Amino acid sequence: AQSVTQLGSHVSVSEGALVLLRCNYSSSVPPYLFWYVQYPNQGLQLLLKYTSAATLVKGINGFEAEFKKSETSFHLTKPSAHMSDAAEYFCAVSEGNNDMRFGAGTRLTVKP
Amino acid sequence: EAQVTQNPRYLITVTGKKLTVTCSQNMNHEYMSWYRQDPGLGLRQIYYSMNVEVTDKGDVPEGYKVSRKEKRNFPLILESPSPNQTSLYFCASSGGPATNEKLFFGSGTQLSVL
Repeated sequence: AQSVTQLGSHVSVSEGALVLLRCNYSSSVPPYLFWYVQYPNQGLQLLLKYTSAATLVKGINGFEAEFKKSETSFHLTKPSAHMSDAAEYFCAVSEGNNDMRFGAGTRLTVKP
Repeated sequence: EAQVTQNPRYLITVTGKKLTVTCSQNMNHEYMSWYRQDPGLGLRQIYYSMNVEVTDKGDVPEGYKVSRKEKRNFPLILESPSPNQTSLYFCASSGGPATNEKLFFGSGTQLSVL
């Protein structure tokens, strides 16, 4: 079955610095990959998704992620962090069988 | 406004007392799902439903029941709650299979079982 590993349960960056949240996946077939964001006391919202159309995926709020098959990775980046980006981020993988697996999450803190 | 509504937002109960968490969506979505979120474990799927009267187990179905009698509603039932079911629960829906469709999430239900 598919699985996803998020490296780093907590990431802290300064405002204006690069954000890099790491995600590696395991899948026996070409996967569908997602990044979701969870703000405090809210449900998850989709940031972006990869469905094989293009390896570099652009999402909302200036985030993007690059699918690298050779590295089985789907890291999330943003060139310049804003205070409003502080949240928990979840990577998820699906093999097309209605079984979406989520990672454990990475909490992003943005320092002024 | 398109939304998934869960109730209650917070619930404290005692071991063995049956409870139901309601979930309703107003987007005419066919797919609905329940997840529990625990620290360090992310979200784990409890049950999902592809359509009315069609439900299936996720990764952690033990101790839970669901029903899908109508398209908009997908309640989660704990017949005899236990302390290990203390968790944050999310309902989600999408317009198609969870494969590549965006999931819409409710705001969550924080359950404490004493």
